[in-house]
Amino acid sequence: GAGVSQSPRYKVTKRGQDVTLRCDPISSHATLYWYQQALGQGPEFLTYFNYEAQPDKSGLPSDRFSAERPEGSISTLTIQRTEQRDSAMYRCASSLDGSRDTQYFGPGTRLTVL
Amino acid sequence: AQTVTQSQPEMSVQEAETVTLSCTYDTSENNYYLFWYKQPPSRQMILVIRQEAYKQQNATENRFSVNFQKAAKSFSLKISDSQLGDTAMYFCAFSTWFGNEKLTFGTGTRLTIIP
Repeated sequence: GAGVSQSPRYKVTKRGQDVTLRCDPISSHATLYWYQQALGQGPEFLTYFNYEAQPDKSGLPSDRFSAERPEGSISTLTIQRTEQRDSAMYRCASSLDGSRDTQYFGPGTRLTVL
Repeated sequence: AQTVTQSQPEMSVQEAETVTLSCTYDTSENNYYLFWYKQPPSRQMILVIRQEAYKQQNATENRFSVNFQKAAKSFSLKISDSQLGDTAMYFCAFSTWFGNEKLTFGTGTRLTIIP
């Protein structure tokens, strides 16, 4: 596609519910990243994929967070048993082929946990 | 681990003036990338400019230029002839040359252009 897209753009959920966020990267981009951005802060790295491989998930805050990219294109980020502290903007980015290429960001999903 | 520091939480400048945003970073790497991203009120994340550490020449993109001082680990952004559309949060970011793929961001500088 023309740019990185994310859905939903806004998600409100109750504490304890599971949520799944979706990212559709720029077509032909091999690398996909997930970041979490708290209000007034810079994005913080969660995890990334090279095609379907997930070399680094060191930024995931807990085992309630998981991500997939089974066919090397669309990715999902799932948060189980959501907590209020999970409220944030979740951003996806993609790049052509890793750290030597610029990351292009999607519009983000604003998650609010009540 | 790399760190990125932006010491100016907020700045404001009159339209058409020039403004410089500061960024310092800490790394033991010799080769790496530095970026400035802009986040307008729409909350999109837009790349402004990118610098490769091995290049001595400072990057420029139209009204935007950087002052990259590798020895001092400093990477400032200069915006010339500022426009109302430049009002945004600006984030400085660091990426290693290879291996760890992530971007490490600073805490941002909120820039307001005053008409």
